[in-house]
Amino acid sequence: KQEVTQIPAALSVPEGENLVLNCSFTDSAIYNLQWFRQDPGKGLTSLLLIQSSQREQTSGRLNASLDKSSGRSTLYIAASQPGDSATYLCAVCSTYSTLTFGKGTMLLVSP
Amino acid sequence: DGGITQSPKYLFRKEGQNVTLSCEQNLNHDAMYWYRQDPGQGLRLIYYSQIVNDFQKGDIAEGYSVSREKKESFPLTVTSAQKNPTAFYLCASSIAPGVVEAFFGQGTRLTVV
Repeated sequence: KQEVTQIPAALSVPEGENLVLNCSFTDSAIYNLQWFRQDPGKGLTSLLLIQSSQREQTSGRLNASLDKSSGRSTLYIAASQPGDSATYLCAVCSTYSTLTFGKGTMLLVSP
Repeated sequence: DGGITQSPKYLFRKEGQNVTLSCEQNLNHDAMYWYRQDPGQGLRLIYYSQIVNDFQKGDIAEGYSVSREKKESFPLTVTSAQKNPTAFYLCASSIAPGVVEAFFGQGTRLTVV
């Protein structure tokens, strides 16, 4: 059964720092990996989708990488801002084309 | 605007009652999903549907039921058999199962009173 782990569980940084969020998964037979953002009490907003054949995807200050063979993905956030404060969730799509989620990393960026 | 609409945003249920959560999408997506989110835990899959009139159990289907009579609608019923229904429920859809990104609604918070 696919298991997804996100490290760290929580992260607090001052504004302007570059930071890395980590995601690991146990079964490398995935179709794709998706990073989401969740604000308190809200739904999920898709940030980046990486297909299994891709190594990375970029959107603005966000860059996500995928190493399928080692079961790892990282989300890099450049020049963090207070508006980036949220919970970031990693999800992999494998068995039956459904998503398996990690527990998330709660990010706080202070001014 | 295109998107996924969940209603209501907040729902209160008395013990022993069944309640139905609504999920509607106008994205013309084939696949729809229901997830449950509890504090400190990741999202867990309840049910999913890859096509109209077909649905499959997820990891925690006990105490829940669904229907998929129309492409745009995937309601979730939380039955009295669900022992601990208080949670945040999220509906999602994708254009095709597993191929492209999934989009989520804003969620329904269910509380048992």
